[in-house]
Amino acid sequence: ILNVEQSPQSLHVQEGDSTNFTCSFPSSNFYALHWYRWETAKSPEALFVMTLNGDEKKKGRISATLNTKEGYSYLYIKGSQPEDSATYLCAFYTSGTYKYIFGTGTRLKVLA
Amino acid sequence: EPEVTQTPSHQVTQMGQEVILRCVPISNHLYFYWYRQILGQKVEFLVSFYNNEISEKSEIFDDQFSVERPDGSNFTLKIRSTKLEDSAMYFCASSVKGGQPQHFGDGTRLSIL
Repeated sequence: ILNVEQSPQSLHVQEGDSTNFTCSFPSSNFYALHWYRWETAKSPEALFVMTLNGDEKKKGRISATLNTKEGYSYLYIKGSQPEDSATYLCAFYTSGTYKYIFGTGTRLKVLA
Repeated sequence: EPEVTQTPSHQVTQMGQEVILRCVPISNHLYFYWYRQILGQKVEFLVSFYNNEISEKSEIFDDQFSVERPDGSNFTLKIRSTKLEDSAMYFCASSVKGGQPQHFGDGTRLSIL
């Protein structure tokens, strides 16, 4: 059974703090790793699609790295703002399948 | 920007009844998905659909469930003989191709009484 784990489960940080969280996934049959941002009462929104070992992607203050050999990805938020408060989901897509396995998510709350 | 739309936003149904959840994926997308999230739990994959047939389904997606693309725009999830444990948020998503970012609808909250 493919399992995708995210840690921590939830996180409270002060405005201006930088933070990071982890997504762990199986290292075999890797095809892609997605990060999504999910605000309350909205639908998940794609942040990054990562496909190559060593990939680094950046979108404003948010960036992500990928290590397919050891099966993890980090998401970093620099200078957190209250509007960054959301659940951050990673989803793993294996080669040879047509499905995404989602992690449990990290719930981030940025305090003003 | 084009988006995935789902209807209804909330469906309340008696146990044992059948429900149909509807989705309109983004028009140039070719891959379609249904997920569910039971309250307090993780998002679970149900089924993926491509080229008018199921590509992959999870162990959750048993004979109680079926999907259809009846008219080239709608993508429906039918749940027969609903049970209390079917109560969840159901999300539809679409992507241009497998492995590409998915675009999600806002979900249908299904409540089985």
